Amino acid sequence: AQKITQTQPGMFVQEKEAVTLDCTYDTSDPSYGLFWYKQPSSGEMIFLIYQGSYDQQNATEGRYSLNFQKARKSANLVISASQLGDSAMYFCAMRERDTGNQFYFGTGTSLTVIP
Amino acid sequence: NAGVMQNPRHLVRRRGQEARLRCSPMKGHSHVYWYRQLPEEGLKFMVYLQKENIIDESGMPKERFSAEFPKEGPSILRIQQVVRGDSAAYFCASSPGQEAIYEQYFGPGTRLTVT
Repeated sequence: AQKITQTQPGMFVQEKEAVTLDCTYDTSDPSYGLFWYKQPSSGEMIFLIYQGSYDQQNATEGRYSLNFQKARKSANLVISASQLGDSAMYFCAMRERDTGNQFYFGTGTSLTVIP
Repeated sequence: NAGVMQNPRHLVRRRGQEARLRCSPMKGHSHVYWYRQLPEEGLKFMVYLQKENIIDESGMPKERFSAEFPKEGPSILRIQQVVRGDSAAYFCASSPGQEAIYEQYFGPGTRLTVT
């Protein structure tokens, strides 16, 4: 089974609108971390936001927030007030305590912000 | 406070040649991870190293690929006798610890093209 599933290959959003990028995960480890990374066309991986499995509140970082629904095993990224510079690939990733050596990445969602 | 450094950023090799990719982790980080990103895909874990030790190489192809992280100097990912299918972006990441709460800081990647 896939550890991380991103079902939206491509998304479009109007500038200044909010957009939600979906991510579901699969793990039996009670302790894990969920991460979102942005990969612009230049190719580097930029860390956006982190959510721990024991965190009670949803993580927020500026215009980014993570809608963490533990029972549903989902960790959707919400970008508010989209900007043209938000156009990029977005990857959801997970680390588990028991297999903490690696990140498991989803296949990514390509976001295009329309002016 | 330099981030993770990778060089070269772009590497072109003919089939059958060797490719050497270098990664210098962030200062104070002793955990290094290598990932491969094939076109239109997410990152896939290859190997996890600490100084002078390979901890987990479960994602490494059995042949032609090797990695090291010597006591002094950068981590090296070595690909012998490259083939066209090795063309990909190779990312190095470093982490201060193995625990799930620690994010991995990614380098800018090395884009390998095999002609």
